[in-house]
Amino acid sequence: DTEVTQTPKHLVMGMTNKKSLKCEQHMGHRAMYWYKQKAKKPPELMFVYSYEKLSINESVPSRFSPECPNSSLLNLHLHALQPEDSALYLCASSRLGSQGSTDTQYFGPGTRLTVL
Amino acid sequence: KQEVTQIPAALSVPEGENLVLNCSFTDSAIYNLQWFRQDPGKGLTSLLLIQSSQREQTSGRLNASLDKSSGRSTLYIAASQPGDSATYLCAVPGLTQGGSEKLVFGKGTKLTVNP
Repeated sequence: DTEVTQTPKHLVMGMTNKKSLKCEQHMGHRAMYWYKQKAKKPPELMFVYSYEKLSINESVPSRFSPECPNSSLLNLHLHALQPEDSALYLCASSRLGSQGSTDTQYFGPGTRLTVL
Repeated sequence: KQEVTQIPAALSVPEGENLVLNCSFTDSAIYNLQWFRQDPGKGLTSLLLIQSSQREQTSGRLNASLDKSSGRSTLYIAASQPGDSATYLCAVPGLTQGGSEKLVFGKGTKLTVNP
């Protein structure tokens, strides 16, 4: 099973709402990632979890709050977002290789987020 | 700072043509390079991972080469099909602001294969 699943597929929310994005993998990967991708741009790294601990935060605003409750699940909690946060949010996972976290990454299908 | 450039930005070819996508990177001290495919509005699918000790990798009609010394990689697609239409992204290891490792992506080549 080389699948990373993400829910929901689409999400529309107002600027005062609180919502969560979910990601799940059952490949035994101990590194999980959140990326943000705007139209016609490459993915931008937001967060990395290694062994369920936050290892990288790429200066992401606090209105995005990641959580890794166990080795298979990764959440992204959203609160007080802005319209410019509208994007495709991608989750990925990988093995933790001997040279760091950039072993082959497996991506989920993404959540298309629209902030009104 | 690692930077990745992909040329061309877009490519339109007739079905059956062989084609080459190019990727260049500024810091040659990499230990691998990955090629991904992305369909519109979808996630990324890993196509090929080339270790720095390898010069090329093949998967079906796809062949990727890596020349570390010149900072270049190519993705060769043989006998292209309409189903190959997608954006192809190249990625190499780079550093985050805090000095940790992350993938650095090129902006991609949007490929259209016309029936």
